[in-house]
Amino acid sequence: DSGVTQTPKHLITATGQRVTLRCSPRSGDLSVYWYQQSLDQGLQFLIQYYNGEERAKGNILERFSAQQFPDLHSELNLSSLELGDSALYFCASSEGIGGAYNEQFFGPGTRLTVL
Amino acid sequence: AQSVTQLDSQVPVFEEAPVELRCNYSSSVSVYLFWYVQYPNQGLQLLLKYLSGSTLVKGINGFEAEFNKSQTSFHLRKPSVHISDTAEYFCAVSRSGGYNKLIFGAGTRLAVHP
Repeated sequence: DSGVTQTPKHLITATGQRVTLRCSPRSGDLSVYWYQQSLDQGLQFLIQYYNGEERAKGNILERFSAQQFPDLHSELNLSSLELGDSALYFCASSEGIGGAYNEQFFGPGTRLTVL
Repeated sequence: AQSVTQLDSQVPVFEEAPVELRCNYSSSVSVYLFWYVQYPNQGLQLLLKYLSGSTLVKGINGFEAEFNKSQTSFHLRKPSVHISDTAEYFCAVSRSGGYNKLIFGAGTRLAVHP
């Protein structure tokens, strides 16, 4: 158990819909990262937040957005869903923003299926 | 920008045999290197990491990796594998210092057979 929790574990929805994925980082970790794992794209970094502020952006679609709240939990919002958005979405957390605090601890993931 | 190439998509091996999973990276700046393991239906778990210092890094579950700067490689090895090592293994890189986004390779599926 990494200490990172993600809800829900599974999500099945239809094209065009909007969903919210939730992540609670390990106690004391200030950074939260979101990754997408799909069969065709592999594991891709989406976005990083540090202490409530967006710090780095990867291959995140404009239809996707995220935020980190004052209690440090984070939500990833996916809208206008397409079949190709079906994937496993991981959240990870780390103590700091860089350097020696680089180790990221991953949650169990949320499996999103878009029908 | 950084990139990671895992040279084998699948590696079948018999139990108690040695194994090497190959990883090459590309970067114009200094990097940190990682190996993660993903067991079926689970999240990623860190096996080991190279930040600096000794190029031979020992990790959990008997795995080790060697950082070779001249060959830009970070191959993962285990002298004797177990059935329980069957999993997907990911090599990852991040820029040293700065922000921590991990760039992952495509993964190598290790299948250990009895």
